[in-house]
Amino acid sequence: GQNIDQPTEMTATEGAIVQINCTYQTSGFNGLFWYQQHAGEAPTFLSYNVLDGLEEKGRFSSFLSRSKGYSYLLLKELQMKDSASYLCAVRDTGGFKTIFGAGTRLFVKA
Amino acid sequence: DGGITQSPKYLFRKEGQNVTLSCEQNLNHDAMYWYRQDPGQGLRLIYYSQIVNDFQKGDIAEGYSVSREKKESFPLTVTSAQKNPTAFYLCASSPQGTGHQPQHFGDGTRLSIL
Repeated sequence: GQNIDQPTEMTATEGAIVQINCTYQTSGFNGLFWYQQHAGEAPTFLSYNVLDGLEEKGRFSSFLSRSKGYSYLLLKELQMKDSASYLCAVRDTGGFKTIFGAGTRLFVKA
Repeated sequence: DGGITQSPKYLFRKEGQNVTLSCEQNLNHDAMYWYRQDPGQGLRLIYYSQIVNDFQKGDIAEGYSVSREKKESFPLTVTSAQKNPTAFYLCASSPQGTGHQPQHFGDGTRLSIL
């Protein structure tokens, strides 16, 4: 079956670093995406990984291990505005269908 | 600015009524998608379309219908057969055949039952 697992909620302190993990089991793999979604709003794209390793983009980094079916999103220098849900999503081999995890709600406290 | 426009933002449905959610994009994307989002759950795919006049069922298509008569438009009809339609509906688009391109999302329509 197709399955993506993420922690339901996490809490971190402003200025700190947080790592949000994602494990996946899918029939095909054509890349892994991370999206940020504030409550009641549209998801917005954060990062894409298709090869093993770390992709860095400012305060956000994403890591992928295809052999382990594992990814993480690393957020540095946390700000209050980073309080949101973070969705892990895997695109299938055909390139059109994307499977989404339930999302991790991150609370950043002062 | 290019983007995806969903309307209305809020919609109320009476029992036995069909309602249509609008989705328009000016990004010149070939592929378009409809997702349903329920509290505590991920986005679930209802229908998707890779090209004009063609669409495929997603994982939860029962009680929904779509059309793709124009590249820019992909309306979703929630029929009376959908017994639990209360949810947040998101429309998305992406270029065709480019696996690394992310999906772009509209701002969503929140549907509730009267």
